[in-house]
Amino acid sequence: ETGVTQSPTHLIKTRGQQVTLRCSSQSGHNTVSWYQQALGQGPQFIFQYYREEENGRGNFPPRFSGLQFPNYSSELNVNALELDDSALYLCASSIGGYMGNTIYFGEGSWLTVV
Amino acid sequence: TQLLEQSPQFLSIQEGENLTVYCNSSSVFSSLQWYRQEPGEGPVLLVTVVTGGEVKKLKRLTFQFGDARKDSSLHITAAQPGDTGLYLCAGENTGGFKTIFGAGTRLFVKA
Repeated sequence: ETGVTQSPTHLIKTRGQQVTLRCSSQSGHNTVSWYQQALGQGPQFIFQYYREEENGRGNFPPRFSGLQFPNYSSELNVNALELDDSALYLCASSIGGYMGNTIYFGEGSWLTVV
Repeated sequence: TQLLEQSPQFLSIQEGENLTVYCNSSSVFSSLQWYRQEPGEGPVLLVTVVTGGEVKKLKRLTFQFGDARKDSSLHITAAQPGDTGLYLCAGENTGGFKTIFGAGTRLFVKA
């Protein structure tokens, strides 16, 4: 139990639709990062939010967007879903935006695009 | 582009055997982490190494960070079935906000 909760745990969407995934970070953590993990691969960094501002972004197109709220919870939005977007989406929270601090992952949201 | 390469990709061993997993890159990282991930769950942090040449021990697990901070290894002594899982290394870039993950080593320990 890491204190990081994600919702929904599983969902199925149709190609072209939009999806919103949610993450509640561990209490006191001001940094949230989102990762995409395809089957059989390691997590790929999507972006990070620190105190409600985007603090870094990986190689993902603009249709991947996010928000962080004043309570440090976060959303990942994906527009115009493609089949290749099918993956486990992981949220991770930490303090201060640096991995040198302990980082805690949620259990992920499994997205299937058909 | 920073890349982390893990080897082997898959390892199946008998209970009681020792094993080493490697994580290599041509890039320097300010810190490196090892995670263990079980099916249906998110990765769980095992250790963070920061200093070149650093060695950390966690019960039967020994982690080493290379002198040049480009590579790392995880050694497990007397593996047990409970060690089964996906082991991921992750490096923090010098900017501190982007973490690169390796593809993972899937370990299966047979009783």
